[in-house]
Amino acid sequence: AQTVTQSQPEMSVQEAETVTLSCTYDTSENNYYLFWYKQPPSRQMILVIRQEAYKQQNATENRFSVNFQKAAKSFSLKISDSQLGDTAMYFCASIFQGGSEKLVFGKGTKLTVNP
Amino acid sequence: ETGVTQSPTHLIKTRGQQVTLRCSSQSGHNTVSWYQQALGQGPQFIFQYYREEENGRGNFPPRFSGLQFPNYSSELNVNALELDDSALYLCASSLRLSGTYNEQFFGPGTRLTVL
Repeated sequence: AQTVTQSQPEMSVQEAETVTLSCTYDTSENNYYLFWYKQPPSRQMILVIRQEAYKQQNATENRFSVNFQKAAKSFSLKISDSQLGDTAMYFCASIFQGGSEKLVFGKGTKLTVNP
Repeated sequence: ETGVTQSPTHLIKTRGQQVTLRCSSQSGHNTVSWYQQALGQGPQFIFQYYREEENGRGNFPPRFSGLQFPNYSSELNVNALELDDSALYLCASSLRLSGTYNEQFFGPGTRLTVL
């Protein structure tokens, strides 16, 4: 079974500072994808960043980057220069390549960026 | 390009009733996935439809059923509603191509309350 665990229910950070959200996962597959999704208070889920398991290089999207440790099955999200608009629920998720493409989500981390 | 839309936004039902939720896919997408997000939890995969056929199902009872239409829009039907069915129901659409994973785009969700 594939599981995703987020151990930080809530976090806060000051505007312009850096914060790291943690995620671990468990799978027996070799080919899979990992994602971080953002769900602002308006509810619409949007993709922040994705990582293919076969790529060793960590993904980066502007202020967002990941630290992918495949052997440790760890996938953390770093947000640099935090902005008030980053306040949201953040979900770590995984998916197998092929099959039904179902996303498996963690329970989420509520991030608050303080002015 | 129109994004994923869902209707209604909110819905209140009583135990034992039946409900139908609707989802319009993003233009050009052929796959729709449905997720249930209970309060304070991450989304849970219900099922996925690809070219009008069910293509994978999560751990949900048969009273959760769905349809996908030729225009790739979709319905989620829930019979014999229970209190625990109260949740945000998310629809996500994607363009499924063999051998690759393509991003799922989420709608804003339907908030279902069962009294």
